[in-house]
Amino acid sequence: DQQVKQNSPSLSVQEGRISILNCDYTNSMFDYFLWYKKYPAEGPTFLISISSIKDKNEDGRFTVFLNKSAKHLSLHIVPSQPGDSAVYFCAASRTDAGNMLTFGGGTRLMVKP
Amino acid sequence: DVKVTQSSRYLVKRTGEKVFLECVQDMDHENMFWYRQDPGLGLRLIYFSYDVKMKEKGDIPEGYSVSREKKERFSLILESASTNQTSMYLCASSLGASGINEQFFGPGTRLTVL
Repeated sequence: DQQVKQNSPSLSVQEGRISILNCDYTNSMFDYFLWYKKYPAEGPTFLISISSIKDKNEDGRFTVFLNKSAKHLSLHIVPSQPGDSAVYFCAASRTDAGNMLTFGGGTRLMVKP
Repeated sequence: DVKVTQSSRYLVKRTGEKVFLECVQDMDHENMFWYRQDPGLGLRLIYFSYDVKMKEKGDIPEGYSVSREKKERFSLILESASTNQTSMYLCASSLGASGINEQFFGPGTRLTVL
């Protein structure tokens, strides 16, 4: 049973608009969350993270929101650019098991020019 | 810049063959990981190692073994490859400090077992 789920396998957005990628988790022990971005033929690269003591973390065009009561997080990309087209993975961890990540299934984002 | 390299980008093997996937990192990281990536399932942890000669099972260790004889190198072994092990294999490394440590990934090895 997947503890981290990304229910949308794909998302298509127009360049310049907002992209919203969603992630749900079931394990209430998770207290740290990360987003990774993966281009074809490359390994995933770290994008942004958030601790459960926060509900928002922003880095340039990327913002992650965390709703602990709903066990839901989302990644917002504003404005979206064609170079953002990639697969995005949500991952969750526990600080008492800091080196272990549990990944979601990924969402393929396509940003159209 | 952290660099994680994997010995092959593409491999084709036959059922029953013994397969070795090699991973090397150059940042003196304590932790190393092997994942497989399958469509819709994301990345699933096969094995990880937090020190030389140490290993721990991940979520899907069946059919795999690992070896870590040197800090920079972590090998994944398929003792007798089967078609259901056709997948993308990703190696990662991270610091061993307490707390959450970002994992750095290699480019992946796409393995096909015929």
